Order: sequence, then structure tokens, then C-alpha cells
Amino acid sequence: EILLTQSPATLSLSPGERATLSCRASQSVNSYLAWFQQKPGQAPRLLMSDASTRATGIPARFSGSGSGTDFTLTISSLEPEDFAIYYCQQRTNWPLTFGGGTRVEIK
Amino acid sequence: QVQLRESGPGLVKPSQTLSLTCAVSDDSVKNAQFYWSWVRQSPGKGLEWIGYIGYIPSSERTHYNPALNSRATISGDTSKNSISLILSSVTAADTAVYYCIRGHYDSSGYYSLDQWGRGTLVTVSS
Repeated sequence: EILLTQSPATLSLSPGERATLSCRASQSVNSYLAWFQQKPGQAPRLLMSDASTRATGIPARFSGSGSGTDFTLTISSLEPEDFAIYYCQQRTNWPLTFGGGTRVEIK
Repeated sequence: QVQLRESGPGLVKPSQTLSLTCAVSDDSVKNAQFYWSWVRQSPGKGLEWIGYIGYIPSSERTHYNPALNSRATISGDTSKNSISLILSSVTAADTAVYYCIRGHYDSSGYYSLDQWGRGTLVTVSS
């Protein structure tokens, strides 16, 4: 199965700052890498359906890039509601797999 | 927007069988556009896709994560518009929040996990 490694594990930032999250795949997933946001007590929510495609209703401050094995999720200016855990997920190979997550916390 | 509500026993003893149900509202489990997945989340293993079921005309299609060693069975009840997960021979490692998800195959030909239920916590303990 494809392993996804996310870094850093924790990102401590202030509101208004830029967040850059990374996800590396153990083999190529082309651009079929999704990103999810999870807040405490809630289910994950789809942010990016592919490396650079925002899901419906996701604000433009969220952007993604990458292809092959290296991907980045960027939040251009953190809003208070953006502090959460972010997961990447590949949908190229079975079984579907997830990264271990990056926690974005308030500094 | 589709509503997914998971339900289950909450507590299951080791070696027993876990049974969960996902009630679907504002959509039909027979909708051939969608496939219905189960994903679980535990502190130890993170997020893990379990499998899915879909209703292509005239038959069911299922697909499972081999890491579950054939312990998982997903089925549907079209009369109740629900999806079920049965997990046999559970151990403490199966303690997790279990999510029901509506997904679909998009224009890329790959499956996307789109709408998630709130999840239900299952603890395996004697």
C-alpha cells in the first residue's frame, strides 16, 4: 500500500500567518491527492479533492500544489477557524490510505 | 445535502462481532452515482479505509481493505436506506470512531470520499 508521510507533525502559528503543510507519498499518486480538515469532535471535511482542486465551498485562502510524490497545502492567511488537524489521502491505489496528519495550532 | 448517521453498540467484548449501521437521508443507497464507504479513526492507527459498497444496476459491488484480513463485511438494506458494517473477531485494536461516507468516482476515474457522517465510537473491552 502507499504510505503518506506528513510534515511537520505540529505547526505553531498566529492568525494571519501563512501555513505550509507537506505530504510525501511512497510512490507516485499523480495529482490524485486529497486533503481533509478535522476539528475536535468532528468528522474530517474534504478541502481539496485533488492536489490543486478545492472542494465545493472551500475558501480561496486554501491552495494546494504538487504531483507525483510531493505535495503542499498552503493556507495563505490563517483565520481562527483554520486551527485544526489536516490529513492528506491518496486515491490512486487500493487500499485508500491517509497520512498521519499535521496539527496547526495557535502560537 | 445527504445526511449520514452512524449507530452501534458503543461497547463490544473481545472476540465478538461488531455491527454498525449507517442511516442515509436525502439520497438513496441505490443511487448508482455513489459508493458508500466505512473509514475508522483510532489514536494508534490514524485514519483507515475499511471498504465500500455500491449499487450498480442489478447487483452490489463491494471492495475491502486487505489489512482487515477478511473480517469486514459491508452490506446494504435498500428497504431501510441504510448501509451496515460487520467486523468479526474484534480486539482492542479495533477500538475507534467509525465513519460512514458517501463517495463517488469522478471524471478522473478515481474514487473520492466526499460526505462524511459524524461517526460513532466503538470500544472493544471486556
